[in-house]
Amino acid sequence: ENLLTQSPGTLSLSPGGPVTLSCRASQSVQSSYLAWYQLKPGRAPRLLISGASIRAADIPDRFSGSGSGTDFTLTISRLEPEDSAVYYCQQYGSSPYTFGQGTKLQIK
Amino acid sequence: QVQLVQSGAEVKKPGSSVKVSCKASGGTLNNYGINWVRKAPGQGLEWLGRVRIDDGVAGYGPKSQGRVTITADKSASTAYMELSSLRSEDTAVYYCARDPVGSPIGFDVWGQGTVVTVSS
Repeated sequence: ENLLTQSPGTLSLSPGGPVTLSCRASQSVQSSYLAWYQLKPGRAPRLLISGASIRAADIPDRFSGSGSGTDFTLTISRLEPEDSAVYYCQQYGSSPYTFGQGTKLQIK
Repeated sequence: QVQLVQSGAEVKKPGSSVKVSCKASGGTLNNYGINWVRKAPGQGLEWLGRVRIDDGVAGYGPKSQGRVTITADKSASTAYMELSSLRSEDTAVYYCARDPVGSPIGFDVWGQGTVVTVSS
C-alpha cells in the first residue's frame, strides 16, 4: 500500500497570498497518477488536478500541481476566501488507491 | 454532462447490511470504473474499492476486504456498494466517483453522497 503524507496539517492565511501544500508518497507513484481534491462541508469532493499537473475542467489557473516520483505539491497562487477547504492528495496508479490525511486551509 | 445520482440516506442497526446505488444520468459508464469513497465524521477520505463497468471486475481497499461488495449493471449504467456487518464506525457519507479506464484523468465526476447512519 502506497501511503501518502500531507503537510502541513492546518494553515490559516490571508487572501491574496500564495500557498503550497505538500504530499509525499511512501513509494514512487506510478505514471504520476497523482490527484488533488478540494472538500468543503456538505459537498462532494471536487477534482482540481490529475496526472500530477493537469488542471481539471473549470478549475481556475490559480491552482497548479507539480512533482513526480514521491514528492508532489499543490500551489494556489492568489488565495480567495472561497478556497477555505480541506485539500486531499490521492494516488491512483496502483491498487489500493490511497488518500493523504488532508490539509485544512482557512482563509481569514 | 454525465451526473452520478446516488440512492437516499439510510439508517441501519449494528450487524445489518446496507446497499447504496449510483446511477449515471445523461450518459453511460462504458469504459469507466466506479469508485466508492467514504468520509466519516472527523476522518479523512477513505477509498473502499472500485468496479470496472465493462467487465464487472472489482478491487478493494485493505480495510474493505470481506465486508464490502461492489457490483455493476452495465445495461442500467448503475453501480452498487454493499457493506455488511455494520458497526457504528461505518457511519459516514458514502460517495461514488467515476474514473476513465486507462486514463490519468482521476475521479472527475462524483455522486452527491449518501449518508449512512449506524445506530441501535
